[in-house]
Amino acid sequence: QQQVKQSPQSLIVQKGGISIINCAYENTAFDYFPWYQQFPGKGPALLIAIRPDVSEKKEGRFTISFNKSAKQFSLHIMDSQPGDSATYFCAATLIGDGGSQGNLIFGKGTKLSVKP
Amino acid sequence: DGGITQSPKYLFRKEGQNVTLSCEQNLNHDAMYWYRQDPGQGLRLIYYSQIVNDFQKGDIAEGYSVSREKKESFPLTVTSAQKNPTAFYLCASSPTVYTEAFFGQGTRLTVV
Repeated sequence: QQQVKQSPQSLIVQKGGISIINCAYENTAFDYFPWYQQFPGKGPALLIAIRPDVSEKKEGRFTISFNKSAKQFSLHIMDSQPGDSATYFCAATLIGDGGSQGNLIFGKGTKLSVKP
Repeated sequence: DGGITQSPKYLFRKEGQNVTLSCEQNLNHDAMYWYRQDPGQGLRLIYYSQIVNDFQKGDIAEGYSVSREKKESFPLTVTSAQKNPTAFYLCASSPTVYTEAFFGQGTRLTVV
């Protein structure tokens, strides 16, 4: 019930193309879904996050799509650039109404390579 | 600058020795976390602390120990009981309400 399954494990996209990474979760109580970007040798950095009260959130070239009934969410990177080449992690947790109820459960990551 | 500082960046130790990884934050966050990252395994939670002088085991706590004597500091000790300690270790912190985790730059531990 605590797992977050992420796919694909690796992804190669041409410059200017759309990168799509998918995640599925099991615990219906989860209510916060962030995406992290990690460059080699660095710590992950928060990219974008969504709560289940919206189906889509867009920040620049990055969009999260959320499907509550299917228990799935995905990251779309539009106009992918070589600088986007990194490992991307989805995560999920339960925040609740007034405090931390749990901890981030991470997917296993997707290594994205954007070819020039 | 506010942030999380992990030190050292690289650490080499002989098998059977205990080693302590440092994590300091000046974000005034109540919660701090230690994760272990292995290739293809994502991030796995070792320990977390919601307040000073309190901490809880995560999914893979065996062979590790922590302390939280100060709000700013959350050191991790990798003991000789940890069977496969070579990994990339990440420290993170967040406000009391878990809306965003900030990560340090990591410590790569190699045990030979």
